[in-house]
Amino acid sequence: QKEVEQNSGPLSVPEGAIASLNCTYSDRGSQSFFWYRQYSGKSPELIMFIYSNGDKEDGRFTAQLNKASQYVSLLIRDSQPSDSATYLCAVNGGGSYIPTFGRGTSLIVHP
Amino acid sequence: NAGVTQTPKFQVLKTGQSMTLQCAQDMNHNSMYWYRQDPGMGLRLIYYSASEGTTDKGEVPNGYNVSRLNKREFSLRLESAAPSQTSVYFCASSDVSGNTIYFGEGSWLTVV
Repeated sequence: QKEVEQNSGPLSVPEGAIASLNCTYSDRGSQSFFWYRQYSGKSPELIMFIYSNGDKEDGRFTAQLNKASQYVSLLIRDSQPSDSATYLCAVNGGGSYIPTFGRGTSLIVHP
Repeated sequence: NAGVTQTPKFQVLKTGQSMTLQCAQDMNHNSMYWYRQDPGMGLRLIYYSASEGTTDKGEVPNGYNVSRLNKREFSLRLESAAPSQTSVYFCASSDVSGNTIYFGEGSWLTVV
C-alpha cells in the first residue's frame, strides 16, 4: 500500500520567513506529486504540482522533487499570515491515477 | 463556475438512519471520488468512479454505497448511519489522468 508521510506540525514561522514543508512517499513508481492547501473549514485546493526531479517555482511557492530519495518539499518564501493553513501532499502513479494523500502539515505564520 | 457541488452542507442523523449525499460536477470530468476527512487522519478514499457506469472501493468503503448516476453525478449513501461515520465528506472530480483533483465544499455529517 502506498504511503505518504508528512509531519503533522504545527510548523510555526514568523511573517516574512521561508516555510519549508516536507513529504516522503513509499512507492518508487510514483510519477506525479501535488501540494494542496486547506484552510480551516474549507476544502483542499491545488497550489502546485511537479513531475520531474528538481525545482518548480510559481510565485512565492517552490516545489522540489527528489525521486532517488523519495521526497517532495514545498517552500513558501516571504510567508504571510494568510498562508496559515494545512498543506496536504498527494502522490499518484505507479499503476494508479488515484492520488494518495498525506495527513497534512499545519502551518502557522505569526506576525 | 460551479465546479463540484455537493449537498447537503450540514446534516445531523440519528444512529440507524439513512441518507444520501449528492454530488455533481460541471467540468466534464470522467473520474469522481468520495473522501472522508477526520482529525489527524487526513483524506481517506471511500469510493471512486473512473467513468460513468463504473465504481470501485477505496480505502474505507464499509458502511457506504455509491451510485454513478451519469457523467455529472456521483452519490454516496449511508444505509444505516453509525457514530463512527461522523466526519467531513468531500466529493471530488478529475480528468482521466487524475492530475488535478477538484473538491466540493464538503458535507459535515454528525451521527448521534
